[in-house]
Amino acid sequence: AQSVTQLDSHVSVSEGTPVLLRCNYSSSYSPSLFWYVQHPNKGLQLLLKYTSAATLVKGINGFEAEFKKSETSFHLTKPSAHMSDAAEYFCVVSLYTGNQFYFGTGTSLTVIP
Amino acid sequence: DAGVTQSPTHLIKTRGQQVTLRCSPKSGHDTVSWYQQALGQGPQFIFQYYEEEERQRGNFPDRFSGHQFPNYSSELNVNALLLGDSALYLCASSSPPTGRGSPLHFGNGTRLTVT
Repeated sequence: AQSVTQLDSHVSVSEGTPVLLRCNYSSSYSPSLFWYVQHPNKGLQLLLKYTSAATLVKGINGFEAEFKKSETSFHLTKPSAHMSDAAEYFCVVSLYTGNQFYFGTGTSLTVIP
Repeated sequence: DAGVTQSPTHLIKTRGQQVTLRCSPKSGHDTVSWYQQALGQGPQFIFQYYEEEERQRGNFPDRFSGHQFPNYSSELNVNALLLGDSALYLCASSSPPTGRGSPLHFGNGTRLTVT
């Protein structure tokens, strides 16, 4: 069985300060992991993915995530938040076969000017 | 290069009615998955189509059915609509069938409201 837990339903940061969105996963197999962002009334956009290559993954818009097998975590970070980063973020896990993607419940990021 | 396109963008139906949602995958993709996203929730997997067949199905009743056409586009049909079916329905396409590291590419969704 596999699942994804996003530890914070809401995160609020000031513009220009670091962002940390936390994600833990459980998987019986070596997983593929993704972060997606969703702006209001829009579909989901891929930020980055981990597929057993480098454990530190760089994505779009300055985001990056680190895969830590010992902690079963895949936290999303950004050094400096921008107003346009305000959105819903989803951590996603997929089995090797990749036929199903399991979504976390999402973290809503608010950026304060 | 067109991404995933979905139609219509918004739809209002009455309980008991039937609805059809449409999706065209990203160019070069031939696998289509459908997700239901209730307000304030993460997307829930409905089913996936590849080579015009349903390959995987999530925990959704038989009222939810689908189809994939030879040009890889897809339809989602929902019969006997319930109020609880109100949600954003997302279509996602991917390379065939999603192997390790192949991400999903999502459309902007269809917002279905059942009254």
